[in-house]
Amino acid sequence: EVQLVESGGGLVQPGGSLKLSCAASGFTFSGSAMHWVRQASGKGLEWVGRIRSKANSYATAYAASVKGRFTISRDDSKNTAYLQMNSLKTEDTAVYYCTAEMATTAFDIWGQGTMVTVSS
Amino acid sequence: SYELTQLPSVSVSPGQTARITCSGDVLGENYADWYQQKPGQAPELVIYEDSERYPGIPERFSGSTSGNTTTLTISRVLTEDEADYYCLSGDEDNRVFGGGTKLTVL
Repeated sequence: EVQLVESGGGLVQPGGSLKLSCAASGFTFSGSAMHWVRQASGKGLEWVGRIRSKANSYATAYAASVKGRFTISRDDSKNTAYLQMNSLKTEDTAVYYCTAEMATTAFDIWGQGTMVTVSS
Repeated sequence: SYELTQLPSVSVSPGQTARITCSGDVLGENYADWYQQKPGQAPELVIYEDSERYPGIPERFSGSTSGNTTTLTISRVLTEDEADYYCLSGDEDNRVFGGGTKLTVL
């Protein structure tokens, strides 16, 4: 079965750090670009960033709102992508989805999301 | 930075045609994708590269782009099509979603 499963969400204080994981199965993870997308409660989708495949030098790119605070990485041996979030702010509170360019140039597979709450 | 503009809401009756638009300068040089999101669920890809229907998506769904506007058209709308719809575009290093359109099937 083709799927993405996120984990690692939770409650963290402002200024703190959290690392999310995204475990992939059922498709060629190593060849797929991986993205993170977030959604605050009752709000729209926001692209957070992406990491490309080894063939594309694991290149990363980030939204301006998280650049310098968030880092995306991947471990192809574990079929897992990561989102390291530092210097968290209350406005980072959202459901975080990982998504992949599996068979198209679009986000054609999504995880179920993991909730991150930044609050004191 | 890029911006994509969508109307917040569209309402249609069952059996009618719904047209959801998305506009922005980024569309003049980049493809657009469309995602459907139902309450409590993750988004799902509907249309990619402006007009390609993702496998498993009914033929009632189609996409087109003209200039800086991309349109998702849903023909013969069903109650099950009621959802939020988001466009997405951008280049390799910067993607942006539209604000989303809530489709209500009356």
